[in-house]
Amino acid sequence: GENVEQHPSTLSVQEGDSAVIKCTYSDSASNYFPWYKQELGKGPQLIIDIRSNVGEKKDQRIAVTLNKTAKHFSLHITETQPEDSAVYFCAADSGGSQGNLIFGKGTKLSVKP
Amino acid sequence: SAVISQKPSRDICQRGTSLTIQCQVDSQVTMMFWYRQQPGQSLTLIATANQGSEATYESGFVIDKFPISRPNLTFSTLTVSNMSPEDSSIYLCSATGQTTNEKLFFGSGTQLSVL
Repeated sequence: GENVEQHPSTLSVQEGDSAVIKCTYSDSASNYFPWYKQELGKGPQLIIDIRSNVGEKKDQRIAVTLNKTAKHFSLHITETQPEDSAVYFCAADSGGSQGNLIFGKGTKLSVKP
Repeated sequence: SAVISQKPSRDICQRGTSLTIQCQVDSQVTMMFWYRQQPGQSLTLIATANQGSEATYESGFVIDKFPISRPNLTFSTLTVSNMSPEDSSIYLCSATGQTTNEKLFFGSGTQLSVL
């Protein structure tokens, strides 16, 4: 089955710097790769996603890149702000079902003002 | 996107008791799922809640421990039965379908502590 590895587990940056979180997956049949942001006491919030027919997607300060050959995808946050501080999870679909997601272990991002 | 409401938001329960968590979606969705998030950990799929039929459980999860109902396209319940401290987790309802552009959205979760 699918396995998703996520690095780093913690990341601390200065406000205004960029943050990059990387994930690798094992199942070449996976086609859908969402990223979620989880703040303390809340459920995961979908922030961006990418499908396998696209190499890069951007939404304001957030971008995701996908390398299907190497089976890795990354989240890039530019001009970080203190409100970006949260735990970020990457995920990959399992068995072709976009509801059955395999999640990485999460990255705790701290943005220092 | 869909708005997913869960009740209760948190509870403290005694060992051996059961708790039923309710999940309500504000639009008809194709699929509903229940995930577990153990303290400081990632999310693990418990089961897919199927409308009008038995839920589909992932490896390591069984119906006797986590009975699930889904009577219609917008509502589901998860029961955590005969609880032990190891069941202390956040339980998350999620849903996807045409109304969510096939993207998976989550409720705010139920934080369960078992004493």
